[in-house]
Amino acid sequence: KAGVTQTPRYLIKTRGQQVTLSCSPISGHRSVSWYQQTPGQGLQFLFEYFSETQRNKGNFPGRFSGRQFSNSRSEMNVSTLELGDSALYLCASGPRTSGGADTQYFGPGTRLTVL
Amino acid sequence: GENVEQHPSTLSVQEGDSAVIKCTYSDSASNYFPWYKQELGKGPQLIIDIRSNVGEKKDQRIAVTLNKTAKHFSLHITETQPEDSAVYFCAATDPNAGGTSYGKLTFGQGTILTVHP
Repeated sequence: KAGVTQTPRYLIKTRGQQVTLSCSPISGHRSVSWYQQTPGQGLQFLFEYFSETQRNKGNFPGRFSGRQFSNSRSEMNVSTLELGDSALYLCASGPRTSGGADTQYFGPGTRLTVL
Repeated sequence: GENVEQHPSTLSVQEGDSAVIKCTYSDSASNYFPWYKQELGKGPQLIIDIRSNVGEKKDQRIAVTLNKTAKHFSLHITETQPEDSAVYFCAATDPNAGGTSYGKLTFGQGTILTVHP
């Protein structure tokens, strides 16, 4: 079974631009979560989607948004990019097979560099 | 919200030795504790996880122990090999995420493990 795929793998943007990142979950997985990874702040939760609905959101400004489609694929968008948005953006998918916490499997990430 | 502390930040061992990484969490309501291994240029890979209804889980050379009373859990790697060199992260669920959330993990700061041949 193919793993979580993320596109693009690398991206270079300039301040003020916007960017859209894409994530395809493992086949059959219905939940998708996004994380930001930086050397200074580590891995931080951005948001979580299930059945096309945002279930939870981390402490990030409104410039960060996302959505999930009916096929469980997800996108996240960052508008008005700032230098501090340079990071590895990770997507994780989970099967939601039980009523408890979801086992999550990560993709390779999208490396965003803001100049 | 949940806070996870991970120690040590770096760990250097000789091939064949054991390695232990420890994490503490703040909220006693947390009930799921995964461990991830991240190699350079890759995303985190789930290596083992434990839920609060068990105290220990083992998978070949890797084991995780959980002490809910003390609110800490540990990763044990035996017979380490050079390919075990990577950054390891512990994580815990955030109980304040609410009943409709299943995917919010709070991560530790990571441990850089180096296994010398």
